[in-house]
Amino acid sequence: GIQVEQSPPDLILQEGANSTLRCNFSDSVNNLQWFHQNPWGQLINLFYIPSGTKQNGRLSATTVATERYSLLYISSSQTTDSGVYFCALINTGTASKLTFGTGTRLQVTL
Amino acid sequence: DGGITQSPKYLFRKEGQNVTLSCEQNLNHDAMYWYRQDPGQGLRLIYYSQIVNDFQKGDIAEGYSVSREKKESFPLTVTSAQKNPTAFYLCASRGRVDQPQHFGDGTRLSIL
Repeated sequence: GIQVEQSPPDLILQEGANSTLRCNFSDSVNNLQWFHQNPWGQLINLFYIPSGTKQNGRLSATTVATERYSLLYISSSQTTDSGVYFCALINTGTASKLTFGTGTRLQVTL
Repeated sequence: DGGITQSPKYLFRKEGQNVTLSCEQNLNHDAMYWYRQDPGQGLRLIYYSQIVNDFQKGDIAEGYSVSREKKESFPLTVTSAQKNPTAFYLCASRGRVDQPQHFGDGTRLSIL
């Protein structure tokens, strides 16, 4: 099956710093989602991005499908950005099932 | 408000007991999914359904069962055959194939 690797596994930032999270995947896919899981377990959609670049406020994402990776950029981080960030790959040929990476745990400190 | 509602938020199971987790959506989505998350891990697919009265096994279906009698509802039963049921369970739904999945707030299941 598809393998999804995320790096780094853990990240500690001071408030205001920028960061880049990476997602590598082993096979071609139809689409990719980035999620933020907050400390209460809620899974929040960030981006649905098969290719190219999207921006939403302080967050942006870039997927290069031909090279099998995606990047999530967080600028001017805030303590509310803490939590776990997951990328998940979608194969529309299999009912759009999601295959998740193991996540990057981010802690933003004051 | 449109969304996905999971209940209960916390559930405790005794040894040998079956328990059922509820997932209801009012988004008029055709497809629904159940995922399991263990501590420090990503989510893994248990079962999914693309249409009423039809469902398929995911990657870790053993010890679980589902039904899809209504478009809005996709309950998950954790049976006594599931020997390690303690986990966080998340339900999701999706509209068109080219649209993202949206998740409920999850149910935490523990063993007494």
